[in-house]
Amino acid sequence: SAVISQKPSRDICQRGTSLTIQCQVDSQVTMMFWYRQQPGQSLTLIATANQGSEATYESGFVIDKFPISRPNLTFSTLTVSNMSPEDSSIYLCSVRGSNTDTQYFGPGTRLTVL
Amino acid sequence: AQSVAQPEDQVNVAEGNPLTVKCTYSVSGNPYLFWYVQYPNRGLQFLLKYITGDNLVKGSYGFEAEFNKSQTSFHLKKPSALVSDSALYFCAVRVDSNYQLIWGAGTKLIIKP
Repeated sequence: SAVISQKPSRDICQRGTSLTIQCQVDSQVTMMFWYRQQPGQSLTLIATANQGSEATYESGFVIDKFPISRPNLTFSTLTVSNMSPEDSSIYLCSVRGSNTDTQYFGPGTRLTVL
Repeated sequence: AQSVAQPEDQVNVAEGNPLTVKCTYSVSGNPYLFWYVQYPNRGLQFLLKYITGDNLVKGSYGFEAEFNKSQTSFHLKKPSALVSDSALYFCAVRVDSNYQLIWGAGTKLIIKP
């Protein structure tokens, strides 16, 4: 399985600012995913980020609000732009393991917007 | 529409007793089914999966799950619950070649000493 780290682990931000979340994997992976999760709730997929191509966003999520970078096979960033209190959530990155259907998850970033 | 249902928001089990966390699904084609566990303030950890083959799948921490095609179910089980099994459990199904997953709502498992 892949070992995934996220930075920051948590943050408290002011309304109108932006936060960039980093996701680092210990091995090269083709597919990375960004999710949002309200505490105790299910996961909502924001976008799929493949290296060398534009991220694919799910319905309800747009690039201007959640720009994603995927500069190489071990790293990705998700930016939450122009934040509002409704963006308060846990943001999780996951990767599809090599030669497997399994997704592995990072520890998450807990974001609070005041 | 493709979906995953976890009909119980919460399951309470006494330590040492067997536990079952239920999951049913509705997909077109052959399902790829997964169970994940989330401990408080942690990311999701993969427990087990069914892709093909034996309907009984064994995974981490003594958990197992049985794929039942006729009932479209993939219930998670453990013969003897531990207090440390208390966590949030998610069932998920892969729906397409993009490896995206549809997630159940989650079931909170509480194991009482």
